[in-house]
Amino acid sequence: EVQLVQSGAEVKKPGESLKISCKGSGYSFVSYCIGWVRQMPGKGLEWMGIVCPIDSFIQYNPSLQGRVTISAERSVGSASLQWSSLKASDSAMYYCARSLVRGSATAFDFWGQGTLVTVSA
Amino acid sequence: DIQMTQSPSTLSASVGDRVTITCRASQSVNNWLAWYQQTPGEAPKLLIYLASRLETGVPSRFSGSASGTEFSLTISGLQPDDFATYYCQQYNTYPWTFGQGTKVEIK
Repeated sequence: EVQLVQSGAEVKKPGESLKISCKGSGYSFVSYCIGWVRQMPGKGLEWMGIVCPIDSFIQYNPSLQGRVTISAERSVGSASLQWSSLKASDSAMYYCARSLVRGSATAFDFWGQGTLVTVSA
Repeated sequence: DIQMTQSPSTLSASVGDRVTITCRASQSVNNWLAWYQQTPGEAPKLLIYLASRLETGVPSRFSGSASGTEFSLTISGLQPDDFATYYCQQYNTYPWTFGQGTKVEIK
């Protein structure tokens, strides 16, 4: 059974750093791209970026202005989303999701349960 | 960025109704278009990809169609589990973009 299990909810202060993770199981992790999607409270979905572990391809949404880093660790079968300095506006639910097609960045067929990030002084 | 505009924003319907949600792209996405369903507190669920292909396990009452840059999601015979928010997404051009969502609520 394909599963994406995300790390738990986080409460942070502005300026702090954070790394959240997404561990894939039940499939060949290196063969499928993983994307990240943000959902602010009461709002819609926003595509943040994607990483393809097989060739280390990474694409970001320019709207993020370089504030996040997406990565994948093939050895542990996990993808990560990282901030070096959080802002209150980063408070949101973050989802990871797997591409539908092996070896290609496409629509997302399996999703993690979401990680809620709260940034507050 | 490619803008995805969904209509309506909210749709009131009854069980058994046939409903259609529209998504218009600001430029060609070559049918690289997906539809997702999201219920409160849950992650989105893929319904349709490549504009009209039904994801495995999704009931056949869901269907997708395309005409140029206009896409439609139709639910034929609305069921209680279908009251949710629906999003379109283009994955043709980076950055990938979602529509603003259409909430299907009980009339």
